[in-house]
Amino acid sequence: DIVMTQSPDSLAVSLGERATINCKSSQSVLYSSNNKNYLAWYQQKTGQPPKLLIYWASTRESGVPDRFSGSGSGTDFTLTISSLQAEDVAVYYCQQHYSIPFTFGPGTKVDIK
Amino acid sequence: EVQLVESGGGLVQPGGSLRLSCAASGFTFSSYCMTWVRQAPGKGLEWVANIKPDGSEKYYVGSVKGRFTVSRDNAKNSLYLQMNSLRAEDTALYYCARVDLGSIYYHLDLWGRGTLVTVSS
Repeated sequence: DIVMTQSPDSLAVSLGERATINCKSSQSVLYSSNNKNYLAWYQQKTGQPPKLLIYWASTRESGVPDRFSGSGSGTDFTLTISSLQAEDVAVYYCQQHYSIPFTFGPGTKVDIK
Repeated sequence: EVQLVESGGGLVQPGGSLRLSCAASGFTFSSYCMTWVRQAPGKGLEWVANIKPDGSEKYYVGSVKGRFTVSRDNAKNSLYLQMNSLRAEDTALYYCARVDLGSIYYHLDLWGRGTLVTVSS
C-alpha cells in the first residue's frame, strides 16, 4: 500500500499570510503514460464532508478560490494557501488515487494565529 | 440539485450487520464510479471501496475484504454498502462519494454528508 504522510500536523497562520502544507507518498504517483500525478487535495471544515480542492496535483477544482494552489510531482507535493482567510480554517488531506487501496494522508489542521 | 444522501447508519452489536444506502440525484448516476470513504470519530479519512459504473468491478481496502460488499442499482440511482461481521473499529461516519468521470482511478468530486455507524455492545 502507498503510505501518505503530511507535514506539519497543524499550523497557525495570521490572516493574509501564506500557509504551506506538504504531502509525501511512499511511492511515485506519477502515471507515465499520461504524465499525470494521481494526487488530490481535500478540505474538511468542522462538521462538514470533505470538499475537493485540487486534483492532478495542481488543477484547481471549479469554484475554488485562486489563493489555493497545488504543486509537486512524483512523491512530493505541496498545497499552498497564498493569503489565508478566516473561512480557510479546516483540516486538509492529500490522497493518492494511483493504486488501490487509495490512501489519504493523516491531515493537517490549519488555524488562525 | 446534484447531491448524494446517505442513510442506514445506526447502533449495531459486534458481529452484526448493517446495510448503508446512498441516493444520488442531479446527475447521470450510471455513468460514474462510486466510492465509500469512512472517518472514525476524531480521526482521518479512510477509503473503503470503489465500484465501477456497471458494477462489474469492485475494490476494497484490506480491513473490510470478505466482510463488506459494495453494490449499486442504477435504475434506482442508489449505491449500497452491506457490512457484515462488524467490529468496534468499523465505528465511523461513512461517506458516499462520486469518482470524477473517466476512470475508477480518479479523484472524488462530490461527497454526501455521511451516515454514522456505531458498533458497540
